[in-house]
Amino acid sequence: NAGVTQTPKFQVLKTGQSMTLQCAQDMNHEYMSWYRQDPGMGLRLIHYSVGAGITDQGEVPNGYNVSRSTTEDFPLRLLSAAPSQTSVYFCASSSLAHGGPRDEQFFGPGTRLTVL
Amino acid sequence: GNSVTQMEGPVTLSEEAFLTINCTYTATGYPSLFWYVQYPGEGLQLLLKATKADDKGSNKGFEATYRKETTSFHLEKGSVQVSDSAVYFCALTDQAGTALIFGKGTTLSVSS
Repeated sequence: NAGVTQTPKFQVLKTGQSMTLQCAQDMNHEYMSWYRQDPGMGLRLIHYSVGAGITDQGEVPNGYNVSRSTTEDFPLRLLSAAPSQTSVYFCASSSLAHGGPRDEQFFGPGTRLTVL
Repeated sequence: GNSVTQMEGPVTLSEEAFLTINCTYTATGYPSLFWYVQYPGEGLQLLLKATKADDKGSNKGFEATYRKETTSFHLEKGSVQVSDSAVYFCALTDQAGTALIFGKGTTLSVSS
């Protein structure tokens, strides 16, 4: 079991460029989510999904798109990167209970993104 | 909506010292409460959890009790080790139960 994997580990973009952060899990979890971690801000939820074909916005969705075509994958797209999106991005997954994450969420190792 | 406040760090301790990291919450209903830990260069891992009032979560010598009367979930450990150096996050389920809300994190540094 690889758990939750994220690629790339590091990325540097120029303002206005687009890119996709990849996230995959092999635990057959229905619930997947994306967070960003900024100094002094903790983790903030960007988008989440409760199953294939279903996504919803979190606390800070602006500037990010997601899709969920399979149970395993949950990519995060930056359409036009801005310096304010410089952050560490974490993907997480869990099984589902009552429409939300069941207790423990499993986190990937993170992607450190710098936008110049 | 639901929110969580935890003490700001950094917390610096000597090995074998007693640790308390305070966490208080504001919530509608009865959220589940969690402590997650992030070791340097890694993602977050669940440390312990409590799902109802008066529950005590425990793991690796860490404990926290779900106190509804004081809306608190303080993390404690009787004797910290250098290997406990990490960032600790208090979290709770949001009002809709669809996501977790995290505190800002407390950095713990333990020296030998």
